[in-house]
Amino acid sequence: AQSVTQPDIHITVSEGASLELRCNYSYGATPYLFWYVQSPGQGLQLLLKYFSGDTLVQGIKGFEAEFKRSQSSFNLRKPSVHWSDAAEYFCAVGAGAGGTSYGKLTFGQGTILTVHP
Amino acid sequence: DAGITQSPRHKVTETGTPVTLRCHQTENHRYMYWYRQDPGHGLRLIHYSYGVKDTDKGEVSDGYSVSRSKTEDFLLTLESATSSQTSVYFCAISEIAGGPDTQYFGPGTRLTVL
Repeated sequence: AQSVTQPDIHITVSEGASLELRCNYSYGATPYLFWYVQSPGQGLQLLLKYFSGDTLVQGIKGFEAEFKRSQSSFNLRKPSVHWSDAAEYFCAVGAGAGGTSYGKLTFGQGTILTVHP
Repeated sequence: DAGITQSPRHKVTETGTPVTLRCHQTENHRYMYWYRQDPGHGLRLIHYSYGVKDTDKGEVSDGYSVSRSKTEDFLLTLESATSSQTSVYFCAISEIAGGPDTQYFGPGTRLTVL
C-alpha cells in the first residue's frame, strides 16, 4: 500500500530565509507526487506535481520540488520565504494507471509552517 | 479556481442524528471524492465516485455512505452521527485521462457532533 511521511509536524523560519519541507513516500511503482498548501479555514490548493520527466518541478508562488527515486523523497523548497507562505503543507502520492487505487491520493500528515518577521 | 461548492459549510448536530453533506461541481469532471481531515492524520479518503451511480470505498468508509445520481452532485451521508465523526470534510474532483490528474478541492464543511 502506498504511504507518505512528512517527518516535520511544525517548522518555523524567518521571513527571507530558505525553506525545505521533507516528504518521503512508499510506493511499489512509479509514483505520482503532489504538494498542496492549505491556509487556515481554506481548502487545499495545488502547489506543484510530478508525473514524469524532469525530476525538478516548478510550482506556483516560487516553490519547487525535487523527486529523488533513490531516496523515495519529494522535498519542497523555496529560496526566500514570505510571511504569506505561513500555512499547512501536504505531500501526497497517487497511484499510476492500472492499479485498483487508480486516481486516489494518499496524504501525509502535514507540516505547519510559521514565518517570523 | 475549480467550480466546487460544499454545503453546508458549518454544521452542529447531535449524536445519533442523520447528516447529509453535499458537494456540487460545475466542471463536469468524472471523478469525485470525499475526504475527512483530522489533526495529525492529514486527509483520509472516505469514498469516491468514478461516474454516475458508480462509487467505491476509501480507507475510512465505516459509518458513511455516498450517492451520486448526477454528474455534478456527490452526497455524503452519516446515517447516525457519532462524536468520532466530528471533522472537516472536503470534497475533491478530477478528470483522469491517461494518468492520475490533479484533484481540486472544495472549501470544506466543518461538522461537529455533540
